[in-house]
Amino acid sequence: SQTIHQWPATLVQPVGSPLSLECTVEGTSNPNLYWYRQAAGRGLQLLFYSVGIGQISSEVPQNLSASRPQDRQFILSSKKLLLSDSGFYLCAWSVLRGGAGTQYFGPGTRLLVL
Amino acid sequence: AQSVTQLGSHVSVSEGALVLLRCNYSSSVPPYLFWYVQYPNQGLQLLLKYTSAATLVKGINGFEAEFKKSETSFHLTKPSAHMSDAAEYFCAVSTGGGNKLTFGTGTQLKVEL
Repeated sequence: SQTIHQWPATLVQPVGSPLSLECTVEGTSNPNLYWYRQAAGRGLQLLFYSVGIGQISSEVPQNLSASRPQDRQFILSSKKLLLSDSGFYLCAWSVLRGGAGTQYFGPGTRLLVL
Repeated sequence: AQSVTQLGSHVSVSEGALVLLRCNYSSSVPPYLFWYVQYPNQGLQLLLKYTSAATLVKGINGFEAEFKKSETSFHLTKPSAHMSDAAEYFCAVSTGGGNKLTFGTGTQLKVEL
């Protein structure tokens, strides 16, 4: 069966510090991968998605970046965090192209920037 | 571009009462529609999805949703609410081509004794 992992689960970082959040998927190959952010009291915002190694699409211009160094690994990074980067970050995967594929979500990382 | 509107950011029902969470979508092509549930500090879990087969879709935990093209709606219902149903619920529409989902802003369901 497929599983998705995210770490760390919780992170408290000062403004201006770097960020690296990791997501890995097990039990499937060549998945679509996604990073979402969920700010307090708001819905989910798609940040990045990837259909293959090294292929990253950015949905929202910001100081975050994403990379996919391996087929089942997706990393969210920042060189300098802003207060507005605080939120709940969710990674997701899917395998079916063309719109009908379900997205499966990881447990999330709670980021607090102070 | 596709969009989703969830009417009511907060819904409160009594235990045993009908649950109705509203979702309307906008899409220029036949949509794929999803309902997800999120418990506090957890990821999203799929409740059910519509993929152009039967218009009445049954999901987990006794939930179901009906696709109504004429009303561009995909409302989520459950005949009898349970305390464990208290969570946030998200409706989503698929935009196709890379399988991107557009989410509504969510509805927080509260279940009272």
